[in-house]
Amino acid sequence: AQKVTQAQTEISVVEKEDVTLDCVYETRDTTYYLFWYKQPPSGELVFLIRRNSFDEQNEISGRYSWNFQKSTSSFNFTITASQVVDSAVYFCALSVSGGYQKVTFGTGTKLQVIP
Amino acid sequence: DVKVTQSSRYLVKRTGEKVFLECVQDMDHENMFWYRQDPGLGLRLIYFSYDVKMKEKGDIPEGYSVSREKKERFSLILESASTNQTSMYLCASSYSGRGNEQFFGPGTRLTVL
Repeated sequence: AQKVTQAQTEISVVEKEDVTLDCVYETRDTTYYLFWYKQPPSGELVFLIRRNSFDEQNEISGRYSWNFQKSTSSFNFTITASQVVDSAVYFCALSVSGGYQKVTFGTGTKLQVIP
Repeated sequence: DVKVTQSSRYLVKRTGEKVFLECVQDMDHENMFWYRQDPGLGLRLIYFSYDVKMKEKGDIPEGYSVSREKKERFSLILESASTNQTSMYLCASSYSGRGNEQFFGPGTRLTVL
């Protein structure tokens, strides 16, 4: 069975601070995919990034960066110089290669960026 | 741009009513999904469809059924709504194949009185 743990339920930061959202996953599969989604107050989840289990290279996209470490089963997400528009609920998710395409979501981290 | 639309943003129904939630996607995606989102529980998969007329149960299918008569449309049916089905319902779609991201609709907040 797959499991995704986002231990941080809510985080508040002041604008321009850096913030890291933690994600720890569990799976016995050797081939899997990890995702991050953003859910702004409007409610619609927006895809941010996908990583497959064979690609441990970290990624940076503007103020966003992702750190994938198989040794610790973690896929952490860092926002640099946070902005009010970053306020949202962020979900980490896991999909394995076998079976139908079920995606297991974490419980989400609510980020509030205070001006 | 992929667009997933849901028939209602807000819905209020009474216990025992039959409820239909509709989802339409315009990108010819093979896969469609229904989730419910509850505080502290994240997203839980109710049903999944990988082709027209094909469906698979997710983690919490009890009390729900689905219909997929056309590729672009996936309906969630609450046969007899109960108060514990009050929730946010999210529809998503994706291309077939492993590891494809899902595209989500805006959600329907259903209240059952």
